[in-house]
This record gives sequence, structure tokens and C-alpha cells, in this order.
Amino acid sequence: KAGVTQTPRYLIKTRGQQVTLSCSPISGHRSVSWYQQTPGQGLQFLFEYFSETQRNKGNFPGRFSGRQFSNSRSEMNVSTLELGDSALYLCASSLGSGNTGELFFGEGSRLTVL
Amino acid sequence: DAKTTQPNSMESNEEEPVHLPCNHSTISGTDYIHWYRQLPSQGPEYVIHGLTSNVNNRMASLAIAEDRKSSTLILHRATLRDAAVYYCILRDVGGNTGKLIFGQGTTLQVKP
Repeated sequence: KAGVTQTPRYLIKTRGQQVTLSCSPISGHRSVSWYQQTPGQGLQFLFEYFSETQRNKGNFPGRFSGRQFSNSRSEMNVSTLELGDSALYLCASSLGSGNTGELFFGEGSRLTVL
Repeated sequence: DAKTTQPNSMESNEEEPVHLPCNHSTISGTDYIHWYRQLPSQGPEYVIHGLTSNVNNRMASLAIAEDRKSSTLILHRATLRDAAVYYCILRDVGGNTGKLIFGQGTTLQVKP
């Protein structure tokens, strides 16, 4: 079956702009989580959506937001970009319920802020 | 969330077994031990998880100490493709959510 798809794979923005990243989960998965990966901070949890509702949230400023659609696809948005937002943004999908908790990650969207 | 401690890096020779340790002295009774790995230029991928008993799957084995304060991921025959960052993560049994707390992990280098 198809894996987790993230678009775009690479993008360059300038400070002050905003960006929207998209994630299509594995078919049947209802949970989508977002992570930020930087060399200094490693992998950090941003937020999780389950059945169109935010279920968990990490310690990031309000400039970072997300949403999930009825087909489980998710988007995350970063407004007023700062240089420190340059990172690899990873999306992970899972069933979100039941005994299996395995997360399936996409290849990520690499954001560069100039 | 309970923390895990892993060595920053390890080396192995190709086709030899690799034992990747993880300490989790503050683990609670409801925490599962999960392992993920991240190959270069890819997102993390699930490797294995367990609660109390040792676990085996096609990728690896997980050996869990009797007191559950430590565990070891075992790759039976390392290949060059196993070179990656390995993360040991604790996850509450009731927390079947998408939130994982990643540490710095262990960077495994495999030499031919």
C-alpha cells in the first residue's frame, strides 16, 4: 500500500512569509502527527490530529498550526517565518486507536528560511 | 514522560551482531519500550517494541531486563543498510497516540 506522502519535498522562503505543508496519510489511518527535526534540537513533536481534532500539542509557539480534513489528510502552517524555522518537517500517520501504535513516517518537507 | 539514555554512537563490522543498549531507570509499569531508526535522508521507521518479554521480528530482537530499567536492541547480522540513528522511546500503553518523545539516539556506523 502507498506510504505517507508529504509535499512539497523542498522549499525556500524568506523571513516573514508563511508556509503550508501537506501530508497524505496511509489509507485507513486516522491519526496524523507532525514533527520538526533540526541538527540542534533533534526530533520534536509539534502536534497530532485524530479524526479532524487536535489531540496532542507540543511546545511550539502559536505561529505553528495545523488542521486535518475529513479524508485524514493534514496540513501544517507556519506564519511569520523566522530563520530558526529552517528544518525538516516530518509527518507520521497511524491508526490512532487499538493495540498497534506503530507510526509510519513520510520523507519530510525540508524548509529553508532565508 | 520518562526519559531514556543511549550512547551517542557505536560502531560495528558488517555481518556481525550489534547490541544497542538503552537505559530507562524511571520507566513506569505501563510504559512500552519502542525502537525506531532513521536512515540518512529518510523519516524514522519503526523497528520493534515490547513491554516485559523479549520480542523478535524480521528486523531485530528486543531484550528487556527483568526489572525493565534497561533494554537492548539486537541486530543479528549488521549490514551497511543498518547504518542509521537508533532511537529508544518509552510510550504509555494507554497512549496510543502519535506523540513520541525522541532523545538524541545512537548513531550506528557499520564498517565493511
